[in-house]
Amino acid sequence: QKEVEQDPGPLSVPEGAIVSLNCTYSNSAFQYFMWYRQYSRKGPELLMYTYSSGNKEDGRFTAQVDKSSKYISLFIRDSQPSDSATYLCAIKGSGANNLFFGTGTRLTVIP
Amino acid sequence: NAGVMQNPRHLVRRRGQEARLRCSPMKGHSHVYWYRQLPEEGLKFMVYLQKENIIDESGMPKERFSAEFPKEGPSILRIQQVVRGDSAAYFCASSPISNEQFFGPGTRLTVL
Repeated sequence: QKEVEQDPGPLSVPEGAIVSLNCTYSNSAFQYFMWYRQYSRKGPELLMYTYSSGNKEDGRFTAQVDKSSKYISLFIRDSQPSDSATYLCAIKGSGANNLFFGTGTRLTVIP
Repeated sequence: NAGVMQNPRHLVRRRGQEARLRCSPMKGHSHVYWYRQLPEEGLKFMVYLQKENIIDESGMPKERFSAEFPKEGPSILRIQQVVRGDSAAYFCASSPISNEQFFGPGTRLTVL
């Protein structure tokens, strides 16, 4: 079983839509949760970082963690064409050195 | 504050040659991580280094691959006798003491 599973999409939405991106993970020891955005042929860019259950908001982005279900989500409000990218979830255990990444969801926001 | 820098951005090697990938972490960051991304796959951890020390190389192939982070200068990921299966994007990330990792733009290695 993979440490983290992510629906690869692709996902296409019209401009202004609310986007929901999701990952599940297998090990309850994971405690740190991140979302990265990766444009084509670029490096991943850290969007959100959280370590507790609940919601964390930053502008149009909201990260949600449900540790009881081992489920994390990223919501994008009022989506823009510039949001078109691949979104990667990443998780990390306490004391661990490396991140475990999902395979990424490719999002296209259509003007 | 400059971000993580990697060079070269693109590297072409023939089978059997050596590839050297360089990474300069963000200012103030002493932790460096290397990841590999194959087409249509997520990033896979390779190695974690601090200055002059390899802390965790559990994701590194046992042969042909090595990494270092000397006291002075960038971190180096070295691949000897490259094969076509080594073609991938190699990303370096750095972090301060916290858990957040910041990635560089990557080096795209193509083995002919």
